[in-house]
Formats: sequence, structure tokens, C-alpha cells
Amino acid sequence: QITLKESGPTLVKPTQTLTLTCTFSGFSLSTSGVGVGWIRQPPGKALEWLALIYWNDDKRYSPSLKSRLTITKDTSKNQVVLTMTNMDPVDTATYYCAHSDQHSSPDAFDIWGQGTMVTVSS
Amino acid sequence: QSALTQPPSASGSPGQSVTISCTGTSSDVGGYNYVSWYQQHPGKAPKLMIYEVSKRPSGVPDRFSGSKSGNTASLTVSGLQAEDEADYYCSSYAGSNNFKVFGTGTKVTVL
Repeated sequence: QITLKESGPTLVKPTQTLTLTCTFSGFSLSTSGVGVGWIRQPPGKALEWLALIYWNDDKRYSPSLKSRLTITKDTSKNQVVLTMTNMDPVDTATYYCAHSDQHSSPDAFDIWGQGTMVTVSS
Repeated sequence: QSALTQPPSASGSPGQSVTISCTGTSSDVGGYNYVSWYQQHPGKAPKLMIYEVSKRPSGVPDRFSGSKSGNTASLTVSGLQAEDEADYYCSSYAGSNNFKVFGTGTKVTVL
């Protein structure tokens, strides 16, 4: 059974850097075709894809946020970390991490974490 | 990279069908057969309902079907049930530079 869980601060100040951790179980990020992505959703608004890291350390970023995002993985800890610099109140959102497997459901997120709400305010 | 365009709302009575459109460009929806659809109930995480335009993950009822024509993808929910009332989002691969884009979302109401 695949599960993912996001963790990190619930409140950050403007200009600070946000660090979110996705801790997962039921799969290995060293298995061919597997990836973990981050998606966010501001309150009452649509989903927005942020970043994705694959088993082979290939990393993809949203073009509009690329300069502010870094995604890394720690295969031994079953964790993926997303950092976002220079946080602004418009970055207030629920942040989700999700599993992807190019062999079973290409280019789709088949299992999602519960999400973590991050508020940006001074 | 602009979000894919979906109608804000759609509705139908129990037992009826509802179809949601997802309009992109030749650089995303029209260029690849990598359109997926997600269902999201209030306060919950999204759930994958359709991938690769028309394929259903295990456990998703066959009342849910997907299709694509040109730059527009569609999700049809047949035999509407009360539990189908939710927000629905499409997503598409958008090439090696833009990579992935979500739709604006559609709220489906079961009357």
C-alpha cells in the first residue's frame, strides 16, 4: 500500500524560505519509472503543478516558479524535499505531494498525500 | 504556461450524464495523449480518475470515461450518483519545457 505524507511549517513569513518534506512508504524512489511530484492549491482555487523528481534524479519544475524551487530526494529515508524561496502571501496554499509511475499510469499522479496547509503572513 | 480551460460548473440529475470539457492547445492537450482527470471532494486530496485520455485506474467505476478531440479533452460521468458531486480537474503533459499543466477546475453538482 502506497502512502505519502507532507510535513513542514504551517506559517512562514514573507521573504522566508519554505521547506516541505514528503515522507512515503510502499514504494522505492530508486525503482525505474517512479517519481514524486508537488502540487499546490490556494484556498478555493485550482491545482497548480510545482515540481517532479524521478527515480533517476531527473528534475522538472514549473517554468513560472523554477527560479524559486528546488526538489531533492533521499532514497534511503524515503523522502522528497521541496524548498521554495522568497515566500509571498500569494503562496498561501495547501501543498500536496503525489506518486507517479511511468509504467502503470504515465504522466499521472495516482496516489496523493493528505496535503499540508501553509500560510504566508507577517 | 496557461492553465487548461474548464467550465466553472456542470450539473445533472441522478442517473443522467454530465460531460466536462478541458481545452488546451496543440502544445499540451492536442499534442500528446497524456491527459488525466482528478476528482476532489471538499477538504480532501485529489483522486486520479482517468489517465492517458481514456484509461481508468483499478477501482474507478466504468461510469467515468474520457476522450479527446483536437485540443479538447472531455470527461463524461454516466449514471450520476450523489457521491459524484465534487470538483474535477484535468491535467496534461505540456512538452519537455513546460512539462505539466492543470485545468481551471469544474464543480459538478448532482441536482
